[in-house]
Amino acid sequence: EVQVVESGGGLVKPGGSLRLSCAASGFTFGGYSMNWVRQAPGKGLEWVSFISSSGNYIYYADSVKGRFTVSRDNAKNSLSLQMNSLRAEDTAVYYCARGQHCSGDSCLLDYWGQGTLVTVSS
Amino acid sequence: DIVMTQSPDSLAVSLGERATINCKSSQSVLYSSTNYNYLAWYQQKPGQPPKLLIYWASTRESGVPDRFSGSGSGTDFTLTISSLQAEDVAVYYCQQYYSTVTFGGGTKVEIK
Repeated sequence: EVQVVESGGGLVKPGGSLRLSCAASGFTFGGYSMNWVRQAPGKGLEWVSFISSSGNYIYYADSVKGRFTVSRDNAKNSLSLQMNSLRAEDTAVYYCARGQHCSGDSCLLDYWGQGTLVTVSS
Repeated sequence: DIVMTQSPDSLAVSLGERATINCKSSQSVLYSSTNYNYLAWYQQKPGQPPKLLIYWASTRESGVPDRFSGSGSGTDFTLTISSLQAEDVAVYYCQQYYSTVTFGGGTKVEIK
């Protein structure tokens, strides 16, 4: 069974940092691109970042470019999102999602984790 | 970026009746070389992550009931629930994956 499980969310002050993790199982992790998508409380979905299966291709939404860094460790079946210089508008549930039928930075997102809540507040 | 516009924002449908959700993209998501529309639909129930329902605009994901169907091409798409069940209460999102991923604003489906 395909599973992705996020962790690392919490309360952080504006300007602070947080590192999210995503543990994958039930599929050949190194064969798939992965994505982060976020959802602010009561709002819609916003794509955040893409990383190719090898980690060689990485893309970010303009809203997080220069502040967030995505990485993966295929040997450990894990995905990470380092978030720096956090702002109140980064408050959201962050989902890890597996990519399929990807073209450039764009994928169908076929499996999603339960998400982890990041709250940026003083 | 491609802007995805869904309508209506919400709708209330009686059990067993048809629900129709529309999604319009600001530019075509039909890839001419493959003749595929890079358009997906997701269902999100309260407190849960989105679940993939439909991809390539009309291909049902494995395990999705056949009362869910997708149609359309180019810039105009529709998700239809042919006979609404209580468990279909959710917010539905369209997503394009033709270029940098964007989502529609969501349509909340409730029971009348």
